[in-house]
Amino acid sequence: DAGVIQSPRHEVTEMGQEVTLRCKPISGHNSLFWYRQTMMRGLELLIYFNNNVPIDDSGMPEDRFSAKMPNASFSTLKIQPSEPRDSAVYFCASSLNVGGFGYTFGSGTRLTVV
Amino acid sequence: RKEVEQDPGPFNVPEGATVAFNCTYSNSASQSFFWYRQDCRKEPKLLMSVYSSGNEDGRFTAQLNRASQYISLLIRDSKLSDSATYLCVVNSHSGSARQLTFGSGTQLTVLP
Repeated sequence: DAGVIQSPRHEVTEMGQEVTLRCKPISGHNSLFWYRQTMMRGLELLIYFNNNVPIDDSGMPEDRFSAKMPNASFSTLKIQPSEPRDSAVYFCASSLNVGGFGYTFGSGTRLTVV
Repeated sequence: RKEVEQDPGPFNVPEGATVAFNCTYSNSASQSFFWYRQDCRKEPKLLMSVYSSGNEDGRFTAQLNRASQYISLLIRDSKLSDSATYLCVVNSHSGSARQLTFGSGTQLTVLP
């Protein structure tokens, strides 16, 4: 099992540019989560999908952020336009939506907006 | 009040020591509890689930006190490799969504 795969691992971009982060969940997992982690705020849930449908996007900071899950094996998180305060590590996680199983995280994308 | 609260530490302990971390949660309806471990510049990884009766996995023991809404993690005979941030995680339900809420983490450094 390859685990949750995220790309790119690192992204450095200039303010105002569009950034797209990608995630491939574990095969068979039907829940997918996007998190952001910073020193100040810890791990924050941005959006959650169940069976490819966005269920809760209340954590998405503003309209500059959008996420899609066109099929069970792929999701994207897009920031347009990016700002320096978006600099963080973005994690994707997936899980089986049954019982109290924990989540499996990808290795994360370290985003720096200059 | 934060939904999940942890002492951020840092805890600096010598090798072989026993160390305990505590965590409190605010949602009395929470049903699932976990401890995650996060190494520096890595992703969080599931360490262990926490069961009502308490559970042990090698040197690690987790306890749950529902009445006090309190979770603990005990590490015995600590190793250098135990150095990491330990995240207390609680399952909270928001309507039909099933979400995990992460504490801010407790940093542990085991010293030689």
